[in-house]
Amino acid sequence: SAVISQKPSRDICQRGTSLTIQCQVDSQVTMMFWYRQQPGQSLTLIATANQGSEATYESGFVIDKFPISRPNLTFSTLTVSNMSPEDSSIYLCSVDGQGGPRGSYEQYFGPGTRLTVT
Amino acid sequence: AQKITQTQPGMFVQEKEAVTLDCTYDTSDPSYGLFWYKQPSSGEMIFLIYQGSYDQQNATEGRYSLNFQKARKSANLVISASQLGDSAMYFCAMGSNYQLIWGAGTKLIIKP
Repeated sequence: SAVISQKPSRDICQRGTSLTIQCQVDSQVTMMFWYRQQPGQSLTLIATANQGSEATYESGFVIDKFPISRPNLTFSTLTVSNMSPEDSSIYLCSVDGQGGPRGSYEQYFGPGTRLTVT
Repeated sequence: AQKITQTQPGMFVQEKEAVTLDCTYDTSDPSYGLFWYKQPSSGEMIFLIYQGSYDQQNATEGRYSLNFQKARKSANLVISASQLGDSAMYFCAMGSNYQLIWGAGTKLIIKP
């Protein structure tokens, strides 16, 4: 399975500012995913990022608010722009499980970034 | 539409007892995978167990087993001999074609 790291692990930010979260994988992967988990809620997919193409956003999420970069097959960033307290969440990066025992069904997760907006 | 339902928002269980967390799913895909993840207060998602739609036997991983009833579209997680460290959120998810569909989660609290 892939080993994924995220930076920062947590942050406290002022409203109106932006934060960029980094996701690094120890092997080349095709698909990377960004999730948001609001307090007490389940995971919600923000977007899917493939290398060399624009990210695909889910309903309710827009590029201006959550710009994503995917410069190569091992790295991605998610920016949370013009933050408000409603953006306080855990943000999780995951990668597809291709090459693993459960193939396209599975995703491997990073440790998450806990964001608090004041 | 694909959907995962976890009907237990929270559960309290005495230490050393077994616990069953419920999960039902809905899909028209013949091929899919069912997952259980544990999320402690630290926030990381920890993979527990997996069941493929074509697997004939129920999956087991140590103290975790998955009670897979395909006709009823249920995939309940059974934790035997619960421990204080099992206190966490538990999520059921269904994987199909590079997508994971998530349940709402169950908060499990183990009482000493």
